[in-house]
Amino acid sequence: DGGITQSPKYLFRKEGQNVTLSCEQNLNHDAMYWYRQDPGQGLRLIYYSQIVNDFQKGDIAEGYSVSREKKESFPLTVTSAQKNPTAFYLCASSIWAGELFFGEGSRLTVL
Amino acid sequence: SQQGEEDPQALSIQEGENATMNCSYKTSINNLQWYRQNSGRGLVHLILIRSNEREKHSGRLRVTLDTSKKSSSLLITASRAADTASYFCATDYSSASKIIFGSGTRLSIRP
Repeated sequence: DGGITQSPKYLFRKEGQNVTLSCEQNLNHDAMYWYRQDPGQGLRLIYYSQIVNDFQKGDIAEGYSVSREKKESFPLTVTSAQKNPTAFYLCASSIWAGELFFGEGSRLTVL
Repeated sequence: SQQGEEDPQALSIQEGENATMNCSYKTSINNLQWYRQNSGRGLVHLILIRSNEREKHSGRLRVTLDTSKKSSSLLITASRAADTASYFCATDYSSASKIIFGSGTRLSIRP
């Protein structure tokens, strides 16, 4: 089945550690996105990528990094510079500026 | 920054009634989309309306777009308990080509 797979579903991090969230899609979409969602809030854009080997910062990129080495993959690293990383992270893909297809999310908790 | 703001933030109605949610945005857009999110899950696309369209229907959903007022509304007719969820609008900026979400409306359907 085509879709987007995020892993892990739950992740715990100690302060000062970097963690990487995986996002893989087999929809042959060019565009991919990372959003952060805090409890009871909307989605805020972290990074997005229109094409392989290219990506742009969203509204809250500080403390995060991404790579887009393959069309299918868009991993997000939450670095120790992100001071409040506890949140629900959502990855999505689309044909450019069309309907977004979302993964089921990764919930990160800082211990 | 949030591009779109939904109104109301929360809405509780009786099963069978209609639910109306509104979205306002700030800058020119290519299209506007509505999404649904069940608690703790990824978002599901409901409908996309382009900037040159004024109204669109999909099943029990009706979306309107007023570009002069920079606003959109989502109407769900004959609500059901299964419609209980959060609903978000998302806009595709004309120049930046990034998709930004609003703050969402939490809809509760009372049996």
